[in-house]
Amino acid sequence: DAGVTQSPTHLIKTRGQQVTLRCSPKSGHDTVSWYQQALGQGPQFIFQYYEEEERQRGNFPDRFSGHQFPNYSSELNVNALLLGDSALYLCASSLGQGLFNEQFFGPGTRLTVL
Amino acid sequence: QKEVEQDPGPLSVPEGAIVSLNCTYSNSAFQYFMWYRQYSRKGPELLMYTYSSGNKEDGRFTAQVDKSSKYISLFIRDSQPSDSATYLCAMSGPPGGGADGLTFGKGTHLIIQP
Repeated sequence: DAGVTQSPTHLIKTRGQQVTLRCSPKSGHDTVSWYQQALGQGPQFIFQYYEEEERQRGNFPDRFSGHQFPNYSSELNVNALLLGDSALYLCASSLGQGLFNEQFFGPGTRLTVL
Repeated sequence: QKEVEQDPGPLSVPEGAIVSLNCTYSNSAFQYFMWYRQYSRKGPELLMYTYSSGNKEDGRFTAQVDKSSKYISLFIRDSQPSDSATYLCAMSGPPGGGADGLTFGKGTHLIIQP
């Protein structure tokens, strides 16, 4: 049973650039959430996608956007990158929005902004 | 005041000791409580998931929730060097109630000395 997968593993960008991160949920899961984890901090909730729509959003600017595809996979896009966007970006999948909220995490994408 | 407070440690204990990890929270809407283990440069791994106040046991791990005090704990019995990791508490509100994203503590860095 495949768990949550994310790509790429590492990414280096420069300020002002745009980046796209990808996530495939655990088999049988239909909900994807994205988190940002800065060094030495706990993950912070960015947003959650269910039925191809953004359902919940944390305290992140509009530079952070996403998409969910019919096969439940998801993308996180960040525009106009800032140095402070350097972090581990985690994807978590779960089953059903409004139901049992047990979330399983992928290994993350480490983004470095220079 | 942060919504979830967790002592970052490090907490160093000898092998075989009982470990106690704790979090306090301020938001009464939180109903679901989780403990994740995160090894360096990896994604968080779900250890325990609880809904109600009381204890839940799984092998060497016991999760305890006291909603009246807004306090949760994770106990690890017979600790092993492989338990050395960062332990993150996380919590969320009622599903579909506008708080489906998880709110994490900062994580406690645990070191088990052989």
